[in-house]
Amino acid sequence: DAGVIQSPRHEVTEMGQEVTLRCKPISGHDYLFWYRQTMMRGLELLIYFNNNVPIDDSGMPEDRFSAKMPNASFSTLKIQPSEPRDSAVYFCASSHDSIHEQFFGPGTRLTVL
Amino acid sequence: AQSVTQPDIHITVSEGASLELRCNYSYGATPYLFWYVQSPGQGLQLLLKYFSGDTLVQGIKGFEAEFKRSQSSFNLRKPSVHWSDAAEYFCAVEPNAGNNRKLIWGLGTSLAVNP
Repeated sequence: DAGVIQSPRHEVTEMGQEVTLRCKPISGHDYLFWYRQTMMRGLELLIYFNNNVPIDDSGMPEDRFSAKMPNASFSTLKIQPSEPRDSAVYFCASSHDSIHEQFFGPGTRLTVL
Repeated sequence: AQSVTQPDIHITVSEGASLELRCNYSYGATPYLFWYVQSPGQGLQLLLKYFSGDTLVQGIKGFEAEFKRSQSSFNLRKPSVHWSDAAEYFCAVEPNAGNNRKLIWGLGTSLAVNP
């Protein structure tokens, strides 16, 4: 298996632009998680899905952030409009109901100028 | 509130020395416990996990961890550190409450290894 796939790996954009991060979970996994990692705040859970349904989005910072999972093999995290404080590494992880272990993707490093 | 504390922000050890990274959690019941490792520029990888049973668990790369209920701790150990172990280590707790899969994360311990 190829593991969790995230794209792009690096994104540099200007303040006010829309940013879309993409994730393909491991086939057969039924949980998908979006995290943000910064030096100041560490690893933060933004939202997670079970069987494509959002279960907990309490970590989504504000209305500028939105996440979707249209099917079991694809999810997006969108920031519109982006701000410099959104600069971080964003990780996607997936898990199977029976094993609890989360498998992480390589992350997307976002820089908002 | 549920929390995970990793008291050591940064640790430096010499190659071949033993290692212990501390983790304490605040939660009423016994949760599921995890240690993850993050190498520079990469995602996190599971080292080991504890759900129940034997309180000493073995993981990958020669790591082990011991669950101590009385101390609410889940410390990570390795008898002899290799230079390739230099990385960020995260302790995490899953409250073990039905289908709630939200992990509570510690802030991490950065490990440096001197040659």
